[in-house]
Amino acid sequence: SQTIHQWPATLVQPVGSPLSLECTVEGTSNPNLYWYRQAAGRGLQLLFYSIGIGQISSEVPQNLSASRPQDRQFILSSKKLLLSDSGFYLCAWSPDRPSYNEQFFGPGTRLTVL
Amino acid sequence: SQQGEEDPQALSIQEGENATMNCSYKTSINNLQWYRQNSGRGLVHLILIRSNEREKHSGRLRVTLDTSKKSSSLLITASRAADTASYFCAGAQTGANNLFFGTGTRLTVIP
Repeated sequence: SQTIHQWPATLVQPVGSPLSLECTVEGTSNPNLYWYRQAAGRGLQLLFYSIGIGQISSEVPQNLSASRPQDRQFILSSKKLLLSDSGFYLCAWSPDRPSYNEQFFGPGTRLTVL
Repeated sequence: SQQGEEDPQALSIQEGENATMNCSYKTSINNLQWYRQNSGRGLVHLILIRSNEREKHSGRLRVTLDTSKKSSSLLITASRAADTASYFCAGAQTGANNLFFGTGTRLTVIP
């Protein structure tokens, strides 16, 4: 069966520090991968998605970047964190386009920037 | 801009009652999905309804879709305390590689 992992679960970082969040999927190949951010008590904002290795689409201009160095690995990064980067970050995968399938979410990373 | 909206934002009911949540959206979709999120956790997929379907059932869940009104509803029958969570609708736009999510409804079921 397929599983999705995210780490770390929680992170507290000072403003201006770098960030690296990792997401990996097991039990499938060539998944579509997604990074979302959720502000407290709010809906999900899509940050990046990837349909293959090295193929990254960005939905909103921001202080973050994403990379997909391997088929089942998706990394969210920042060179210098801002206070506004605080939030709950969720990684998700789907076997195909959302037109046909649901998405499966990881447990999330709660990031606090101080 | 927000492409999906849900109402009510919050709903509190007694155990055993039914809960209805509504979702409105702005674009053409291939399907409409509903997800559940327990506090501080990831989202869990509940049900998917395709654009050519009007109603779908899964256990205690009933989903309707009206593409002419660009709206959907989720009904949870005979609610339980364990149903307490936030519920999100998500639309798959035609030709898109991603979903847009609604703002969510926070459901509290009182034992």
